[in-house]
Amino acid sequence: GENVEQHPSTLSVQEGDSAVIKCTYSDSASNYFPWYKQELGKRPQLIIDIRSNVGEKKDQRIAVTLNKTAKHFSLHITETQPEDSAVYFCAASYSSASKIIFGSGTRLSIRP
Amino acid sequence: DGGITQSPKYLFRKEGQNVTLSCEQNLNHDAMYWYRQDPGQGLRLIYYSQIVNDFQKGDIAEGYSVSREKKESFPLTVTSAQKNPTAFYLCASSDRGNNSPLHFGNGTRLTVT
Repeated sequence: GENVEQHPSTLSVQEGDSAVIKCTYSDSASNYFPWYKQELGKRPQLIIDIRSNVGEKKDQRIAVTLNKTAKHFSLHITETQPEDSAVYFCAASYSSASKIIFGSGTRLSIRP
Repeated sequence: DGGITQSPKYLFRKEGQNVTLSCEQNLNHDAMYWYRQDPGQGLRLIYYSQIVNDFQKGDIAEGYSVSREKKESFPLTVTSAQKNPTAFYLCASSDRGNNSPLHFGNGTRLTVT
């Protein structure tokens, strides 16, 4: 069955440093990989996504890389700021089923 | 996001009672989803629907039921068979088959005592 594993579960970085969150997925048919940010008490919000025909995508301080051979993808946040503190979720989707499976989340804390 | 409305925000029920959570969207999305979120955990898929009058079980469907009679509505019933129903429930929608991102509602926090 489909499964998404996410590491680490918690991450603390100094403000201005980079943060990296990694995910692996089980089904090679996965072809869409979104990342969501959830602030305390709020709904998850999409921050970036990548499709399987692309290896890397950037949006300002955020980038995502995808390695289809190894079935893993990563989120990179550079020049971290206090407002980056939140829980981040990776996910994998299967276009044939419109089914999206989430990782268990990473709680990112930015130290001043 | 005014596109997806979940109600109520907080819900309290006694053990043994069924309860229905509402989810309405005006985004004209075909696909709708229900996820459960427990403290410190990720989002687990309960049910999803790709089109009206059709839905599939997710990873933790036991003790839950859904209906999809209208495109804009996807209510979730938490039955008395659900062993541990207290949780935060999130409804979402997306364009079907386009690998489009999920749009989430604000969630319903259900407490069963």
